[in-house]
Amino acid sequence: EPEVTQTPSHQVTQMGQEVILRCVPISNHLYFYWYRQILGQKVEFLVSFYNNEISEKSEIFDDQFSVERPDGSNFTLKIRSTKLEDSAMYFCASSEIRDRGSGYTFGSGTRLTVV
Amino acid sequence: AQKITQTQPGMFVQEKEAVTLDCTYDTSDPSYGLFWYKQPSSGEMIFLIYQGSYDQQNATEGRYSLNFQKARKSANLVISASQLGDSAMYFCAMREPPYGNNRLAFGKGNQVVVIP
Repeated sequence: EPEVTQTPSHQVTQMGQEVILRCVPISNHLYFYWYRQILGQKVEFLVSFYNNEISEKSEIFDDQFSVERPDGSNFTLKIRSTKLEDSAMYFCASSEIRDRGSGYTFGSGTRLTVV
Repeated sequence: AQKITQTQPGMFVQEKEAVTLDCTYDTSDPSYGLFWYKQPSSGEMIFLIYQGSYDQQNATEGRYSLNFQKARKSANLVISASQLGDSAMYFCAMREPPYGNNRLAFGKGNQVVVIP
């Protein structure tokens, strides 16, 4: 079964530092996403990416965040100057096409802790 | 406005019994998709089942079935023959058009604990 791979699984960083969260989506998928889940809360959409550009972003995804697909396989989320409230589980997901449900696959997540 | 509502408190279920997890949603668009995900304590999000708004039949996937009542805007997940490994958080989510908007909106989740 194809899967979305995220690295690292855990990251601890000091406030103000930059972090890069990495994802390898499923190879034939065209749409890529980042979601986050603050501990004990619901999963929130951050950004979607298609055809090498952002297709949609939420109000959470401010100038502190950026996404990139630096090569044919990786999809990264950069948080420029981390804040304590950025501590969360970050999920990468990918989907093959927009309008079929079972195509969304989530990675196992990166647990980010900002201290 | 909240699009997905999951209001049940944490649930304890006897092993081998069935459990129903409630989910109601809010949309004015006739075309949408509904998802259920399982999140065990290890944290990953595991896709369980999908229901399209135009699907004529309720979705089923093994022990998971979706009780889709379109007029009531509900999409309850039924887990039959519960197993200890079913202990997890369960999230209902919705994807709705317009196309170009491909985000999933999640509910707050239902905690299920299966007891032997």
